[in-house]
Amino acid sequence: QKEVEQNSGPLSVPEGAIASLNCTYSDRGSQSFFWYRQYSGKSPELIMFIYSNGDKEDGRFTAQLNKASQYVSLLIRDSQPSDSATYLCALMGSGGYQKVTFGIGTKLQVIP
Amino acid sequence: GAGVSQSPSNKVTEKGKDVELRCDPISGHTALYWYRQSLGQGLEFLIYFQGNSAPDKSGLPSDRFSAERTGGSVSTLTIQRTQQEDSAVYLCASTDRRGYTFGSGTRLTVV
Repeated sequence: QKEVEQNSGPLSVPEGAIASLNCTYSDRGSQSFFWYRQYSGKSPELIMFIYSNGDKEDGRFTAQLNKASQYVSLLIRDSQPSDSATYLCALMGSGGYQKVTFGIGTKLQVIP
Repeated sequence: GAGVSQSPSNKVTEKGKDVELRCDPISGHTALYWYRQSLGQGLEFLIYFQGNSAPDKSGLPSDRFSAERTGGSVSTLTIQRTQQEDSAVYLCASTDRRGYTFGSGTRLTVV
C-alpha cells in the first residue's frame, strides 16, 4: 500500500459547484497533513495544512481530517475555472522527522 | 531571500555529462529537501538535510546522484554521467514545519 493514496482523476466539476478531493494514508502516526495546488508547469504551492481531527476552513477551502479512518479531504466551494490544477495531498510522519510524503495528485477541471 | 531560489531554471545537457543544480532556501529554514518530478508523475523524494545532522539520502536513485549543503544554507545537487531517464523537473524546498515552500525548479533535459 502506498503511503499516500489519491485518485489521479481528472475530476471534472461545473463552475460554482463543490469539488471534493480525497486522500487516504497508511501511517497511523502521521502528524501533519497538507494540501498543495500545482498548476501545469509550475511548482506546488501550499494552500492548507491541518493537524487536528475535524474541519479547518480558509475562504472557499475546507480541509477535513479523520485520523481514525486515515483520510483527509479538501473541499472547494464555488469552484472557479482558476481552481483547475492538480491537488497534492501530503503528510508529515511521526517522530518529529520533517520529511513530507506526497500523493500523486488529483487533477481537477472546473468547467465554465 | 523571500523565497526558495533555484538555478538554472532550465538545463539541457548531453548524455554522459555532469550537471549541478543549485538551491538557496528561505533564510532561517533549517530543513532543505530535493524532489524530482517526471512528466505526469508525483513528487519523488531524493534527499533531506536538517541542520548539522547527517542527510537522509534514502531517495537518491543511484550513486550518480549526490548532494551537499554548505554552511547550512545553499545546497547543490550533482548528477554525474547523466542519462535520459534523469530528465525531469528537480524541485528544492525548505520548511518551517508548516509545510514546504518550493522553489520554481530546474527543468533538466538530457539529450
